Amino acid sequence: NAGVMQNPRHLVRRRGQEARLRCSPMKGHSHVYWYRQLPEEGLKFMVYLQKENIIDESGMPKERFSAEFPKEGPSILRIQQVVRGDSAAYFCASSPRSGEGYTFGSGTRLTVV
Amino acid sequence: GQQVMQIPQYQHVQEGEDFTTYCNSSTTLSNIQWYKQRPGGHPVFLIQLVKSGEVKKQKRLTFQFGEAKKNSSLHITATQTTDVGTYFCAGPSGGYQKVTFGTGTKLQVIP
Repeated sequence: NAGVMQNPRHLVRRRGQEARLRCSPMKGHSHVYWYRQLPEEGLKFMVYLQKENIIDESGMPKERFSAEFPKEGPSILRIQQVVRGDSAAYFCASSPRSGEGYTFGSGTRLTVV
Repeated sequence: GQQVMQIPQYQHVQEGEDFTTYCNSSTTLSNIQWYKQRPGGHPVFLIQLVKSGEVKKQKRLTFQFGEAKKNSSLHITATQTTDVGTYFCAGPSGGYQKVTFGTGTKLQVIP
């Protein structure tokens, strides 16, 4: 079982470019969550998705950020027109059912220059 | 919204000493989860507690869920350098059961 796969591990973008972060959940897990972590800080919830549905996006900025989890393929977190403040580690997690412990991916470290 | 606070924020201990981190939620929780994140790594699920007053042990780690289901603690006996990392508690919030993470306790173990 390959676990939660995130790519890329590191991503450098210039201000104004787009960042696309990918996450493949564990086999058998239909619940996907995205969290953001600034250096030396905690994990901030962004969005909760199931296949083809956004369940809760209350933690996601209204502008420039979007997420999807299509029927086929990985979940994508998309950040348009990145700014320096978007630099952070973005973690994806999955679980087999709501309310159960999460399995996290290794994260994508985004640096905006 | 729900807030989950942990104390202390940082803790330095000598190897072999005990360590405890405390977690307090502003709301009653249906369950509490604990995670460990090594420096530069990703959070790893440790355990989930569900029942009021529940106590669970994993080797040198003891987890406790408060009677009112609003607080929890993690106690490590005789710390080792492999225990270094940040420990997060987390509880479900909102109608859809997403998890809100606590502020974390960063543990440093001095050999």
